[in-house]
Amino acid sequence: NAGVTQTPKFQVLKTGQSMTLQCAQDMNHEYMSWYRQDPGMGLRLIHYSVGAGITDQGEVPNGYNVSRSTTEDFPLRLLSAAPSQTSVYFCASSYRGRGGYTFGSGTRLTVV
Amino acid sequence: GQQLNQSPQSMFIQEGEDVSMNCTSSSIFNTWLWYKQEPGEGPVLLIALYKAGELTSNGRLTAQFGITRKDSFLNISASIPSDVGIYFCAGADSGTSYGKLTFGQGTILTVHP
Repeated sequence: NAGVTQTPKFQVLKTGQSMTLQCAQDMNHEYMSWYRQDPGMGLRLIHYSVGAGITDQGEVPNGYNVSRSTTEDFPLRLLSAAPSQTSVYFCASSYRGRGGYTFGSGTRLTVV
Repeated sequence: GQQLNQSPQSMFIQEGEDVSMNCTSSSIFNTWLWYKQEPGEGPVLLIALYKAGELTSNGRLTAQFGITRKDSFLNISASIPSDVGIYFCAGADSGTSYGKLTFGQGTILTVHP
């Protein structure tokens, strides 16, 4: 099992550009989430999903879109990147909320 | 929204010492999780707690789910250099609300050999 796979690992964007951060899991987990991590602020929830076709907003959803068309994939879209979105992004998945969440290794995004 | 206060923010200890850190919440959680994060990696689950009063161990690590459901602590006994990292607590509700983990700010642990 690969677990939770995030791509790319590093990305530099110019302000106003768009991109999609990819997340895939092969554990048949129903629950998937996106977090951003900034120094001194822990991890903050952006969007989450409790199953295919179901998504909801977290603590800091502005500027980000998600969709969940399959159980395995949960992409995060930045429509118009801003410097405030410079951060490390983590995707995580869980089996129906039990056993904790498994995290990917992260995508380090810089917006200039 | 829900907030978790994790303390201390950082700890500098000697190898062999015991470590204690805790999290308190402004509201009730039904699940408490403790994670460790090493540089360049995602958080890794250490201990999961699902019941108020529950005390769970994982090797040298012990965590407890507070009776009020608003707090949790993590103890590390006889620390070793590889314990270095950032430790996070996280709280969640049950059911589909489990999708909304709330994290503490983290405790940075440094262990001097």
